[in-house]
Amino acid sequence: DIQMTQSPSSLSASVGDRVTITCRASQSVSSFLNWYQQRPGKAPKLLIYAASSLQSGVPSRFSGGGSGTDFTLTISSLQPEDSATYYCQQSYSTITFGQGTRLEIK
Amino acid sequence: EVQLVQSGAEVKKPGESLKISCKGSGYSFTRNWIGWVRQMPGKGLEWMGIIYPGDSDTRYSPSFQGQVTISVDKSISTAYLQWSSLKASDTAMYYCARRSGDVPNWFDPWGQGTLVTVSS
Repeated sequence: DIQMTQSPSSLSASVGDRVTITCRASQSVSSFLNWYQQRPGKAPKLLIYAASSLQSGVPSRFSGGGSGTDFTLTISSLQPEDSATYYCQQSYSTITFGQGTRLEIK
Repeated sequence: EVQLVQSGAEVKKPGESLKISCKGSGYSFTRNWIGWVRQMPGKGLEWMGIIYPGDSDTRYSPSFQGQVTISVDKSISTAYLQWSSLKASDTAMYYCARRSGDVPNWFDPWGQGTLVTVSS
């Protein structure tokens, strides 16, 4: 299986900050990389698909980048409602998720 | 609106059987794969398997092969996840999700989740 490793595992940032979460694959997944947001007690929600495409209805402050083995999710100006856990997921081969990054608002 | 609605929370004893459901609406149910994802308490997301309602083609994660059965009744637009003999370690939230896109693909939307608690 392809292993997905996210960093950091958790972070704390202030409203208005620019935040970047990294996801690294153990082998190339081309652009077959998706990002999800999971707020406490809620189901995951798709943010970014195919590495850099913004899902309809998702605020434009979210963006994704990368290809091959290294990917990023960036929030350009952090909002209070962005407090959540974020997961990357590859669909290149047998589906695997990263371990998650918990984002807390200071 | 594309929607997946899952069955309600379950409390079971070890050794009991269980079947939970996921009903799709707002789209052509037979045209998209439906996946199942486990989330154990306080933990991350684990992909369990996926089924194509059009022909019931099913793929399992090696970690879940033989542990669960995924099925579908396309006449009522419903996918199922079942256990023949539950263990305490099956206690978790289970999500279904529609696979969208072709190559590449992604999961959207997700059901609201079904909490399964297994305790003696």
